[in-house]
Amino acid sequence: AQSVTQPDIHITVSEGASLELRCNYSYGATPYLFWYVQSPGQGLQLLLKYFSGDTLVQGIKGFEAEFKRSQSSFNLRKPSVHWSDAAEYFCAVASWGGSNYKLTFGKGTLLTVNP
Amino acid sequence: EAGVTQSPTHLIKTRGQQATLRCSPISGHTSVYWYQQALGLGLQFLLWYDEGEERNRGNFPPRFSGRQFPNYSSELNVNALELEDSALYLCASSLEIGRQNEQFFGPGTRLTVL
Repeated sequence: AQSVTQPDIHITVSEGASLELRCNYSYGATPYLFWYVQSPGQGLQLLLKYFSGDTLVQGIKGFEAEFKRSQSSFNLRKPSVHWSDAAEYFCAVASWGGSNYKLTFGKGTLLTVNP
Repeated sequence: EAGVTQSPTHLIKTRGQQATLRCSPISGHTSVYWYQQALGLGLQFLLWYDEGEERNRGNFPPRFSGRQFPNYSSELNVNALELEDSALYLCASSLEIGRQNEQFFGPGTRLTVL
């Protein structure tokens, strides 16, 4: 069965610092991978997605992620964090078995940004 | 273009009651997904509806059920509410079945069971 692990429950960075959020997945076939962000009291917004092709994926709000098959990882990065990036971030893998399709999410990483 | 909408925003029930949550997908989307986001448990897949049919179900008891209407809106029903059902319930929609179809999420319904 597919699974997603986000090893860091909570990360604190200073505004302007770089950011890397880790994501490891387990899935037998070619993974379709996503990063979502959830601001307090809000639903999830898609930051970026990887289906195939270039392993470095650009997303919205200046985020990027790199797919590394050998490490089963899909880490999210941003070179300079803004206070408005404070939120919870979820990595997800899409799985497809017969007619069954679903997203499996990691437990999330809460990002705090210090001024 | 309007996004995914959910109602009500908040819902307070007592143990043993039934709760009904509603979701309207983005226009043109035929698939609707329901997720439960409980404290400490992360986002867990509940149900997937497409073209009026239940296509997949997560690891939840039968008292969690739902349906999809001809206009593709959806309803989630939770019977015999238990305290641990307290959570944020998120609905998402996507275009027809396809691995690459992005799911767009609504703001959620916060269900509190007292």
